[in-house]
Amino acid sequence: GAVVSQHPSRVICKSGTSVKIECRSLDFQATTMFWYRQFPKKSLMLMATSNEGSKATYEQGVEKDKFLINHASLTLSTLTVTSAHPEDSSFYICSAKDLSETQYFGPGTRLLVL
Amino acid sequence: GNSVTQMEGPVTLSEEAFLTINCTYTATGYPSLFWYVQYPGEGLQLLLKATKADDKGSNKGFEATYRKETTSFHLEKGSVQVSDSAVYFCALTLNQAGTALIFGKGTTLSVSS
Repeated sequence: GAVVSQHPSRVICKSGTSVKIECRSLDFQATTMFWYRQFPKKSLMLMATSNEGSKATYEQGVEKDKFLINHASLTLSTLTVTSAHPEDSSFYICSAKDLSETQYFGPGTRLLVL
Repeated sequence: GNSVTQMEGPVTLSEEAFLTINCTYTATGYPSLFWYVQYPGEGLQLLLKATKADDKGSNKGFEATYRKETTSFHLEKGSVQVSDSAVYFCALTLNQAGTALIFGKGTTLSVSS
């Protein structure tokens, strides 16, 4: 089946620094990728929809200047958490849609901001 | 609006017990319905899906039937195993290009031997 990878799987950073998370579709092209945030024992919250070659669409309440999304190719989307703070600590998950509109999820990236 | 409601967990069962996890939805249109599973420490995996009314999705002994009249997509398994312990998410997507999944809050299943 289709595989989506994320890198890194875990990252610890100091408050005020920026962190970049990569999401790749390994064996298919994805015109649309999604970024979710998952809090402990909570469901996934959609943060933004990432479209190749155009600006991302952010959900209400998500700061686009804080969570920068770039979808430079059909297989890669990146999420950059700028000036990270402890409240940004979370599990970030990306997903990618194939031509059949099926979403495949990456394994997630756990971010801890000290 | 569009939303998914799942039964509250955790659900605790003994091995070989029957499992039902309820899921209902509201949608402005005709959605596709999904069950995803998240094993401890891992990402989400598609378990099964159904794209139209009366469709039955099935995989690994799990089944769910798309019931338009009751707007439900309940997950069932006749005999659970310890390895089924995970968090199960019901989700929907509207059948429009580029739309994201809308998830329920997830139901934790714990199976003991």
